[in-house]
Amino acid sequence: EMLLVESGGGVVQPGRSLRLSCAGSGSLFDVHGMHWVRQAPGKGLEWVSGFISGTGRVDYADSVKGRFTVSRDNAENFLHLQMNSLTEDDTAFYYCAKDRDPGGLKYWGQGALVIVSS
Amino acid sequence: DVVMTQSPLSLPVTLGQPASLSCRSSQSLVHTDGNIYLSWFQQRPGQPPRRLIYKISDRDSGVPDRFSGSGSGTDFTLKISRVEAEDVAIYYCMQGTHWPYTFGQGTKLQIK
Repeated sequence: EMLLVESGGGVVQPGRSLRLSCAGSGSLFDVHGMHWVRQAPGKGLEWVSGFISGTGRVDYADSVKGRFTVSRDNAENFLHLQMNSLTEDDTAFYYCAKDRDPGGLKYWGQGALVIVSS
Repeated sequence: DVVMTQSPLSLPVTLGQPASLSCRSSQSLVHTDGNIYLSWFQQRPGQPPRRLIYKISDRDSGVPDRFSGSGSGTDFTLKISRVEAEDVAIYYCMQGTHWPYTFGQGTKLQIK
C-alpha cells in the first residue's frame, strides 16, 4: 500500500507563491500517473494537474494553467507543485494522488491546506 | 472537458435499507484501450477520498461487498445493498479516461 504525504501548505497573500511537495513510501514515478487534486472548504473535488513520468505527459486544469507547474525530484522521490500568482480562489486542501491502474487515483495523501488571504 | 453529473445530491436512507447513486457522463468514457475508467470514491468528514470502485465495477481490496458498481455507456450506478452508519459520507464519481480527470458534484448520503 502506497503512502503519500503532502507538505508545504500554509497561509500566503494573494499574488504570492507557494510550493507543495508530495513524498511517497514507494516510487512515485512509474508508468502510472501522479496527480494533484484540490478541494475548497465545503466544496467538491477538482483535478488540478497530472503527470506521467513514463511518457512525460503533463497537463493542468484551465483554472491553474500558466500559474502552476508540476515537477519531479527523482533523487528524493518527491513530486512538487509550484503555485504562482495565487488568488483567494486557490484556497483549498491539496491532495496528491497516484494511479495504481490507468485513470484510477487509488492512493491519496492526507492533504495540505493552502489559504490565500490578505 | 467531460462533465460528470451525479444524482441525487442528497440521499437520506434508513439503516439497513439499500441506496442507489447515479452518475452520468457528458460523453463516452471508452478509452482507446477499450476500458472505461469510471471510479467511485467515498469521503467521510475530515478525511481524504477513498476509492471504492474502479473500472465501473471492480471493488478495491478491503471494500465491503455491500458496495457494488455497474453501468455502461454514459450511465453508471453505485449501489449499497444495506446502508450502515459508517457509510455516512459524500460519494463522488470520477472519470479517468480523458484528461483532465473530472469528478461529479458528489452525493451526500445521510441516515434518515
